[in-house]
Amino acid sequence: NAGVTQTPKFQVLKTGQSMTLQCAQDMNHEYMSWYRQDPGMGLRLIHYSVGAGITDQGEVPNGYNVSRSTTEDFPLRLLSAAPSQTSVYFCASSESSGHTSYEQYFGPGTRLTVT
Amino acid sequence: ILNVEQSPQSLHVQEGDSTNFTCSFPSSNFYALHWYRWETAKSPEALFVMTLNGDEKKKGRISATLNTKEGYSYLYIKGSQPEDSATYLCAFIIPYSSASKIIFGSGTRLSIRP
Repeated sequence: NAGVTQTPKFQVLKTGQSMTLQCAQDMNHEYMSWYRQDPGMGLRLIHYSVGAGITDQGEVPNGYNVSRSTTEDFPLRLLSAAPSQTSVYFCASSESSGHTSYEQYFGPGTRLTVT
Repeated sequence: ILNVEQSPQSLHVQEGDSTNFTCSFPSSNFYALHWYRWETAKSPEALFVMTLNGDEKKKGRISATLNTKEGYSYLYIKGSQPEDSATYLCAFIIPYSSASKIIFGSGTRLSIRP
């Protein structure tokens, strides 16, 4: 199993550009999520999904869109990049989508810089 | 606003010494707490999933305890080794509608001096 994969690993955008960060998992996990990691702030939840066709907002959803058309893929879209979105983005997945708490498996991260 | 706090923020420990650090979380409506280990330039990896008051979990030299009534969990490392250098994150799980939301603490950065 490849686990959770993310592309690209690094990206530089200009303010106002849009792009999609890709995330895929091959473990048949129901639950997938996106986090951003900023210095001194730990990991903050952007959006999450409990299964194909179902998504919801986390703590910091503004400026990001997600969709979940398949169990495997959970792309994160930046609609109009801003310097405040410079961060490291992690995708994660787990078996849990309800009343059992399973550990999360993280992807390798995407380092995004917006100039 | 829900706060998950970890202390200390950073810790420097001599190789061979034992150490511990704390995760504090809201004591009402507890559901689950996770501990993750995050090495530099890698991704976080799960250490423990803790769900019951009084839980004690162990993996090698690392162990964790949970007190849901007072809202804290301790992570202990016995006989620290250089490979234990990492940031240790706790995550508080909130059951929400049909899924769980996860709130991470900002982590304790542990450095082991050889």
